[in-house]
Amino acid sequence: QQQVKQSPQSLIVQKGGISIINCAYENTAFDYFPWYQQFPGKGPALLIAIRPDVSEKKEGRFTISFNKSAKQFSLHIMDSQPGDSATYFCAASTDYTAAGNKLTFGGGTRVLVKP
Amino acid sequence: KAGVTQTPRYLIKTRGQQVTLSCSPISGHRSVSWYQQTPGQGLQFLFEYFSETQRNKGNFPGRFSGRQFSNSRSEMNVSTLELGDSALYLCASSDSGEQYFGPGTRLTVT
Repeated sequence: QQQVKQSPQSLIVQKGGISIINCAYENTAFDYFPWYQQFPGKGPALLIAIRPDVSEKKEGRFTISFNKSAKQFSLHIMDSQPGDSATYFCAASTDYTAAGNKLTFGGGTRVLVKP
Repeated sequence: KAGVTQTPRYLIKTRGQQVTLSCSPISGHRSVSWYQQTPGQGLQFLFEYFSETQRNKGNFPGRFSGRQFSNSRSEMNVSTLELGDSALYLCASSDSGEQYFGPGTRLTVT
């Protein structure tokens, strides 16, 4: 019930290309969906987040698409750069005001952008 | 504002020992959460403290415990260490739902 499934596990994209990572969740009580970027030896860094009241959110080259009926959300990285090479995690949580902070993470996607 | 800090950054312990890890949240943040990251299990939630009280708890054995002080700094303790406790332990601070992670403490149990 708490699981978040992420795919693919790894991704190779050419510089300038589009990276697409998908996540699916089961718990319909989830209402906050962040994406994190992690470089080796570092902690995860919050990249972008979305709530179910919108279907898409864009920040710079990063876009989240959200499909509430399918219980799926995805991250698109446009014009991918070698500096985007990292591991990306999707996550989900319920309303923090009611239930506090508890993120359930996907398994991660290792993205390699080739120059 | 300074980010989340964790000490120590690296730690090597022997099976059976206990360990204490420390986390200082972003100034003004009252919530501190702890996560364990391993190659096999990924990122898993341990527990969350808010205003010195444990507000959430994950599915970890009682050997894993934590506390939070009045200045919001938090510590987590692992007793009777097992080889499987080797992991990157991350803390995250929050004031409004968004969680910001520290660099983690790399614990190796031998």
